[in-house]
Amino acid sequence: KAGVTQTPRYLIKTRGQQVTLSCSPISGHRSVSWYQQTPGQGLQFLFEYFSETQRNKGNFPGRFSGRQFSNSRSEMNVSTLELGDSALYLCATRSADGNTIYFGEGSWLTVV
Amino acid sequence: GQNIDQPTEMTATEGAIVQINCTYQTSGFNGLFWYQQHAGEAPTFLSYNVLDGLEEKGRFSSFLSRSKGYSYLLLKELQMKDSASYLCAVNTNAGKSTFGDGTTLTVKP
Repeated sequence: KAGVTQTPRYLIKTRGQQVTLSCSPISGHRSVSWYQQTPGQGLQFLFEYFSETQRNKGNFPGRFSGRQFSNSRSEMNVSTLELGDSALYLCATRSADGNTIYFGEGSWLTVV
Repeated sequence: GQNIDQPTEMTATEGAIVQINCTYQTSGFNGLFWYQQHAGEAPTFLSYNVLDGLEEKGRFSSFLSRSKGYSYLLLKELQMKDSASYLCAVNTNAGKSTFGDGTTLTVKP
């Protein structure tokens, strides 16, 4: 079965702009989580969605938001981009038994 | 909150054994993951421990002690391709997973 698909893979934005990243989970997986990964901060949890509802939220400012659609696809949005938002954004889905997390290839965001 | 600690870097020799430790403090503990991440790639699942003890999968084994808040990942017969970052992550009853900063392992000939 297809893995977790994230688009776009690479993008460059300027400060002040906004960006939307997309994640299509493995078929049948209803939980989608988003993480930010930077060299200095490691893997930081952003939020988790399940059945179109945000179930958990990390410690990120309100500029970071997300949503999930009825087909379990998820999007995350970052508004008013800052240089420090440059990072790898990873989407992950959880198996039905909760015992395995599958990551997408990630979206590399560079803010200039 | 949750605290997860693992060494930042480790170096080992090809063919040797290396143990990567992870200590954690959390409420509502519901399991511990280990992931491998090669540079520029997404993390890939290695193991998931819920109960105390050692679980072996080929060259990789993972150990958990819930009372001590401690886990380790054991890699045997190291190969050059094992050079990667190894991430420890704690799963909670609320369904939230928190990752450590990762241990960068360098395998030398």
